[in-house]
Amino acid sequence: DGGITQSPKYLFRKEGQNVTLSCEQNLNHDAMYWYRQDPGQGLRLIYYSQIVNDFQKGDIAEGYSVSREKKESFPLTVTSAQKNPTAFYLCASKATVNTGELFFGEGSRLTVL
Amino acid sequence: AQKVTQAQTEISVVEKEDVTLDCVYETRDTTYYLFWYKQPPSGELVFLIRRNSFDEQNEISGRYSWNFQKSTSSFNFTITASQVVDSAVYFCALSAIDMNTGFQKLVFGTGTRLLVSP
Repeated sequence: DGGITQSPKYLFRKEGQNVTLSCEQNLNHDAMYWYRQDPGQGLRLIYYSQIVNDFQKGDIAEGYSVSREKKESFPLTVTSAQKNPTAFYLCASKATVNTGELFFGEGSRLTVL
Repeated sequence: AQKVTQAQTEISVVEKEDVTLDCVYETRDTTYYLFWYKQPPSGELVFLIRRNSFDEQNEISGRYSWNFQKSTSSFNFTITASQVVDSAVYFCALSAIDMNTGFQKLVFGTGTRLLVSP
């Protein structure tokens, strides 16, 4: 079945460690997005990408990095520079950049101890 | 700047009651899209509806209906005869053009948690 797969679903890390969250889609979508969700704050955009080897910062990009080497994959690295990394991370994709709705993965919950 | 306000943090109803979730938006764009998503406990956001800013007709899909009013910048969502399975967090979202890149992104409200009890 077509969809977006995020892994791992749950992740625990020690403070100061970098961690990479995986996002893979087989929908042949051009655009991919990473959102962060915190209680009471809704979803905030971290990074997005419209095409392979191109990506743009969203509203809260500090402390995060991404790559888009393949159309299907858009991994997110939470670096040690991110001051408050504990959150629920959602990856999404869209068929084209300027139209249509987002399709979401099931999310990855990162807890930093 | 674009903004979406969902003033209702949490709503509790008893099964079979009707419930309306409010969404108010701000944008200077003349063309935009509005969305509703449902987030069940599993975490994945499920797309419910997309509405073009030029189409103010209300829409009904089964027990769900949406009321779009440009005059009040609102896009409210009503569930008729609510069921326990409707319990979830519901997000309203607005398309926004990134001024730096020219590409569309979605701006989300803070969500409304709906609890439907038997």
